[in-house]
Order: sequence, then C-alpha cells, then structure tokens
Amino acid sequence: KAGVTQTPRYLIKTRGQQVTLSCSPISGHRSVSWYQQTPGQGLQFLFEYFSETQRNKGNFPGRFSGRQFSNSRSEMNVSTLELGDSALYLCASSRDRGGLGEQFFGPGTRLTVL
Amino acid sequence: GENVEQHPSTLSVQEGDSAVIKCTYSDSASNYFPWYKQELGKRPQLIIDIRSNVGEKKDQRIAVTLNKTAKHFSLHITETQPEDSAVYFCALNPSTGTASKLTFGTGTRLQVTL
Repeated sequence: KAGVTQTPRYLIKTRGQQVTLSCSPISGHRSVSWYQQTPGQGLQFLFEYFSETQRNKGNFPGRFSGRQFSNSRSEMNVSTLELGDSALYLCASSRDRGGLGEQFFGPGTRLTVL
Repeated sequence: GENVEQHPSTLSVQEGDSAVIKCTYSDSASNYFPWYKQELGKRPQLIIDIRSNVGEKKDQRIAVTLNKTAKHFSLHITETQPEDSAVYFCALNPSTGTASKLTFGTGTRLQVTL
C-alpha cells in the first residue's frame, strides 16, 4: 500500500505571496491532519480534516487554511506569506478520527520564504 | 492548551546500553500516547503507542510505560544500536478525544556511539 505523499517537496516563495500544498493520504484513510515543524517551535498542529470538513484547528492565524476533497486528498493554503512561515509542513493520515487511528506522516513540503 | 514536557533534550549512549526518554503532561483526559522517530531529513515514523487502558507495551527492543496517575509516560530502548540514532518525539491527544490531533513534545536527540 502506498504511503502518504505530499507535493511539492520543496518550495521557495517571497513574502506576500501565497502557496498551496497538497497531500494524498494512504488509500482508505479518511482523516488528514497538517502540522508545521520548525526548529524553534517543534511540531505544531495546524488542522484536521475528515469527510471534507475541518474537525479541529490549531492556534494559527487565518492566513492558514485548508480543505479536503471527496477522495480524501487535502490541500493547505498559506496566504500573505511571512518569513516566519518557513518550515517543514507535514501531513498525516489515519483511517478514522479516533479508536485505532494511528497517524502516518508524509515526507513533508519544505517551504522557504525569502 | 495541553503541554507536553519531554526530557532529556539530548541523550548520548554507548551501543548496547539502554536509553530512556520521559514525557509529562497535564490533561488527564488524554488517552492516546504515541512515540515517533524522525531521522535526519525524513518523516516522523510511529514506532510504538500506548492507550490509557494499559500500563506497558513492548515491541522487541522498544517499550513504553504509562503512569496515568502521575501523568507521565516513557520510552525505553534496550540494546541500543547506531541505527537508533534519531530524534524521538512523544505525543498525546488533547482532551478532544481524537487521535488525529496530536500535541508533541519538544523532541529528544538520541546519539548512539560505537
């Protein structure tokens, strides 16, 4: 079974631009969560989608948004990029939201904001 | 929100020795406690997890113990090998009850020396 995939793997943007990242979960997994990883703040939860609905949201500004499609693929969007948005963005999928819903991570998208 | 304290931040052991990493938390409603291993430049990988209805779980050289009364859980690696060198993160689900929103510890960099 193929693992979680993310595209693109690397992105370089300038301040003020916007970016869209994509995540394809493991086949059969319906929950997709997004995390931001930085050396200073570690791994921080951004949001979770299940059945095309945002179920949970972390403490990030409204510039960070996401969505999920009917095939469970998810995208996240960051508008008006700031230097501090430079990070590794990881998505993780799980079969459901609770129970035995172990999360499996994708390889991440490394975003650099100049 | 929920905080997870992880110690130590760095740990150096000789090959064959044991390594122990401890995490403490405050939200007594948390009921899912996974551990992730992240090698340099790679995605976090789930190595073991425990749920609040058990106190200990083992998988070959890796074990996790949970003390819900004291609100701490620990990762034990025995007979360490060079390939165990990585950053290890503890995590838990906050009181929302879903395993798809994880709060992570700050990570422990484990170095196994020959």
